[in-house]
Amino acid sequence: ETGVTQSPTHLIKTRGQQVTLRCSSQSGHNTVSWYQQALGQGPQFIFQYYREEENGRGNFPPRFSGLQFPNYSSELNVNALELDDSALYLCASSRTGGYNYGYTFGSGTRLTVV
Amino acid sequence: SQKIEQNSEALNIQEGKTATLTCNYTNYSPAYLQWYRQDPGRGPVFLLLIRENEKEKRKERLKVTFDTTLKQSLFHITASQPADSATYLCALPQGGGTSYGKLTFGQGTILTVHP
Repeated sequence: ETGVTQSPTHLIKTRGQQVTLRCSSQSGHNTVSWYQQALGQGPQFIFQYYREEENGRGNFPPRFSGLQFPNYSSELNVNALELDDSALYLCASSRTGGYNYGYTFGSGTRLTVV
Repeated sequence: SQKIEQNSEALNIQEGKTATLTCNYTNYSPAYLQWYRQDPGRGPVFLLLIRENEKEKRKERLKVTFDTTLKQSLFHITASQPADSATYLCALPQGGGTSYGKLTFGQGTILTVHP
């Protein structure tokens, strides 16, 4: 069974630009969650997608948006990038009730905003 | 507001000793608590889950306890090895209950095991 794949692995963007990050969930997993991890901190929940609908959102502004596709893959879009958006962005997939087995995280996308 | 604190940013121990990491939380009534391991530049890897009605869980050299009265979980690695060096994160479901996939993480404890 394949794990969670994220692309790209690294990205450098200029303040004010827009970025799209991609995630392919683990086979059989229908739920995707996105997290932001600043250096030296734990991951912070951005939002979750289930059956192509947003299913919960953390304390992030509307310029953070997402999509889930019928094959359960997902995108995270960030508009009007700010310097503080520099972080590791993690995608985690799970199946319904999957908390029993933990969540499967990808290796993340390291975003640097300059 | 809900808050999770892990005991210290860094823990250094000698190989063969037991590492004990602490996770304290406030304003939560979680149905479970999870522990993850994270290596530099990688995503967290799930280690163990313990439910609110379980006092202790073991997996190989790992042991987790969960005290819902103290609002605390302890994570032990016995007979530690240099390969156990990593950041360890505790996580609780946001808003209590099960809240599938919506986790609040502690800030992590960096464990270094010296040969």
